[in-house]
Amino acid sequence: GAVVSQHPSRVICKSGTSVKIECRSLDFQATTMFWYRQFPKKSLMLMATSNEGSKATYEQGVEKDKFLINHASLTLSTLTVTSAHPEDSSFYICSARATRKSKGEQYFGPGTRLTVT
Amino acid sequence: QKEVEQNSGPLSVPEGAIASLNCTYSDRGSQSFFWYRQYSGKSPELIMFIYSNGDKEDGRFTAQLNKASQYVSLLIRDSQPSDSATYLCAVERIGNKLVFGAGTILRVKS
Repeated sequence: GAVVSQHPSRVICKSGTSVKIECRSLDFQATTMFWYRQFPKKSLMLMATSNEGSKATYEQGVEKDKFLINHASLTLSTLTVTSAHPEDSSFYICSARATRKSKGEQYFGPGTRLTVT
Repeated sequence: QKEVEQNSGPLSVPEGAIASLNCTYSDRGSQSFFWYRQYSGKSPELIMFIYSNGDKEDGRFTAQLNKASQYVSLLIRDSQPSDSATYLCAVERIGNKLVFGAGTILRVKS
């Protein structure tokens, strides 16, 4: 299957600081990447859709100025959590849609566990 | 009504048995359906995808789709303890977004 990496896998930061998370598709090109967050024992919540070369599309209720998304190339998208607060602590997962594969299924990165103190 | 519904479980099956996981969806226009497996503390892993009515088999896994009944299922044959995980059903909608069910916890007991 297709491989998607995320970095860092874990990060602890202080309240008020910003954290950048990288998502890379390693063996395929992804014109579309997605960012999710997941709270313990809950399902995935889509935050935004990231399209290469254009602005991200945010889901209702997600602050675009707080969660900055950049999709600079066909293999890299970044999510920056700005002015992080303890309530932003969560498991952030990206996925990449393999548009040149059979039916455009999404492959997930390993996730980034963010803890804001 | 939720867009994608799954029984939260847990579904407990003995080792070697068939595990049957079910999912219903509300959007009759949905075309693409996916099953993901998620171990605790890990990200989802794609297991199967299905687009046409009927069955699709891959190793021990069989996905079944019935668009008329808006129903998709996943069968796991010869269940192993390593299959114990949460299984997420996902339906693709406009904008290539996936809508996930809440997931079914599967426990395979040895």
